[in-house]
Amino acid sequence: QITLKESGPTLVKPTQTLTLTCTFSGFSLSTSGVGVGWIRQPPGKALEWLALIYWDDDKRYSPSLKSRLTITKDTSKNQVVLTMTNMDPVDTATYYCAHSSGYSSSWYPYWGQGTLVTVSS
Amino acid sequence: VIWMTQSPSLLSASTGDRVTISCRMSQGISSYLAWYQQKPGKAPELLIYAASTLQSGVPSRFSGSGSGTDFTLTISCLQSEDFATYYCQQYYSFPFTFGPGTKVDIK
Repeated sequence: QITLKESGPTLVKPTQTLTLTCTFSGFSLSTSGVGVGWIRQPPGKALEWLALIYWDDDKRYSPSLKSRLTITKDTSKNQVVLTMTNMDPVDTATYYCAHSSGYSSSWYPYWGQGTLVTVSS
Repeated sequence: VIWMTQSPSLLSASTGDRVTISCRMSQGISSYLAWYQQKPGKAPELLIYAASTLQSGVPSRFSGSGSGTDFTLTISCLQSEDFATYYCQQYYSFPFTFGPGTKVDIK
C-alpha cells in the first residue's frame, strides 16, 4: 500500500525559506522509474505542478519557479524534500506530494493529504 | 511550456445526465494525458491515464478519449458523488501542466 504524507510549517513569513518533507511508504525511490512530484493549489484555484525527482536523481522544475525551488531525496529515509526560497503571500497554498511510476508514466495515482502553507507577516 | 484549456469552466448538471468535459493542448501530446477528480478539502484522485485507460477502482461511467491536442472526459450517467472539480494533466513534456479545471455542480 502506497502512502505519502507532507510535513512542514503551516505559517511562514515573507522572504523566508519554506522546507517541506514528503515521507512515503509502500515504494522505494531506488526502484527504476519511480518518481515523486510536488504540486500546489492556492485556495480556490487550480493545481500547479512544481517539481519532480526520479529514482536516478533526475530533477525537473517548473520554469517559472526554478530559481526558487530545490528538490532532493533521501532514499534511506523514504523522504523527498522541497525547498522554496523567498516566500511571498502569493505562495499561500496547499502543497501536495505525489507518486509516479515512470518517465512515460508520470501520472499521479497516489497523493498525500496535502499541507496548507500560509505566507504572512 | 504546453498550455492547456478546459471547457466549460463550470458545468451545471443533474443526476443521471451525460456530461462531457474538454481539454485542449497548445501542442500535440500524443496520449500523454491524465484526468483527476477533486472534491473540496481533498487531494485529487486519478480517474484516467494515457488518455483513455481507466484507473483501477474507478467506475466505468467515466471514460476518456482523444489524442494529439483534443481530449474529452465523459461521465455517462452522473451520480451524486460525481459533483466535483475535474482537472486534466499532460505528462508529455516538462514542465508537466494541469488544466484550469472544470467544476461540475448541481443544476
